[in-house]
Amino acid sequence: EADIYQTPRYLVIGTGKKITLECSQTMGHDKMYWYQQDPGMELHLIHYSYGVNSTEKGDLSSESTVSRIRTEHFPLTLESARPSHTSQYLCASSVQGNSPLHFGNGTRLTVT
Amino acid sequence: QKEVEQDPGPLSVPEGAIVSLNCTYSNSAFQYFMWYRQYSRKGPELLMYTYSSGNKEDGRFTAQVDKSSKYISLFIRDSQPSDSATYLCAMSRGTYKYIFGTGTRLKVLA
Repeated sequence: EADIYQTPRYLVIGTGKKITLECSQTMGHDKMYWYQQDPGMELHLIHYSYGVNSTEKGDLSSESTVSRIRTEHFPLTLESARPSHTSQYLCASSVQGNSPLHFGNGTRLTVT
Repeated sequence: QKEVEQDPGPLSVPEGAIVSLNCTYSNSAFQYFMWYRQYSRKGPELLMYTYSSGNKEDGRFTAQVDKSSKYISLFIRDSQPSDSATYLCAMSRGTYKYIFGTGTRLKVLA
């Protein structure tokens, strides 16, 4: 059973809307990550965080922002959703940089 | 060229078969190797985690790392229909950056 929770599980919204994808973990992990997953493609890192008030951009960070005010919470915000944002978004956490990642069950986003 | 190559499958095997899943990689700096199982509409679930070269066994699963050949494998013994999923390999140099394969779809037929 996952100790990392993502909401909503599914979201359909119109172009131009601002959305926030929620991610919370109960394991006390310092490191948290957002990945984008498309069918048949490898996972791409969007943002990561080393700890509270520490965030860095990944490979696909454009047009999205994150915050880390509390250890357990790492929300991802899209300021203006576009159809190209349609994808599955996975949140993950780890104890440290070489530890295995623990994933949530994802948010499947569709932008119409 | 991708840093990690993984055959997408699909791979179909009869129940009880031994399954071999593989990834090759190009960056010799990778030290940490992982295998994840992902069911449809779920997040990846960690199966195996190994450091450097060698073998690791956990129940029906065995992970092998051959750093000289830049090749990792996951073996599943006595495969079950419940093993039907997509299997992702992943590797890291020990920093925040994890590189994933594209996943292999496995179907175990009852």
